[in-house]
Amino acid sequence: NAGVTQTPKFRILKIGQSMTLQCTQDMNHNYMYWYRQDPGMGLKLIYYSVGAGITDKGEVPNGYNVSRSTTEDFPLRLELAAPSQTSVYFCASKQDSDSPLHFGNGTRLTVT
Amino acid sequence: QKEVEQDPGPLSVPEGAIVSLNCTYSNSAFQYFMWYRQYSRKGPELLMYTYSSGNKEDGRFTAQVDKSSKYISLFIRDSQPSDSATYLCAMSANGGFKTIFGAGTRLFVKA
Repeated sequence: NAGVTQTPKFRILKIGQSMTLQCTQDMNHNYMYWYRQDPGMGLKLIYYSVGAGITDKGEVPNGYNVSRSTTEDFPLRLELAAPSQTSVYFCASKQDSDSPLHFGNGTRLTVT
Repeated sequence: QKEVEQDPGPLSVPEGAIVSLNCTYSNSAFQYFMWYRQYSRKGPELLMYTYSSGNKEDGRFTAQVDKSSKYISLFIRDSQPSDSATYLCAMSANGGFKTIFGAGTRLFVKA
């Protein structure tokens, strides 16, 4: 049982480049989330989805986009990467609104 | 004011000590309370999940929730070097889509 799988584990981008962070879960969870984690700042919600075809913004959505075409996958797109997007990105999922989150192991992104 | 406040530490204790980790919050709508453990370069791992006020025990870990004071705690008994990690508190409201996290407390348990 893989749980939540994120790829790639590490990536270095140049300013202005674009990339997609992949996230897939095999638990048939309806709810999926993207967080970023910066030192001493905790986890900040970027985007979330409550089911296929439904997405909504979190507290720090600027510079990111998401889509949810299947229950399993929730990719995060960075357009025109900026140094402020250097962070560790975590994908998480849960079964319903009152369940706890299950996390992947993150993608470490550096923008230089 | 942040919705969830957590002292970032670091907290350093000798092996075998009882560890107390705490968070305060401001939103009285929170009903679900969680503690996650995060090892370096790994994702957060769910440790404890409680609903409303009261205590919950799981092995060496005890979670306490005091909704009247808006205060939650995690106690670790007989702490081990393998407990060295960052501990994140988290909480959400009934039927809420979003989980709000504290900044995390770094714990070091010395052998």
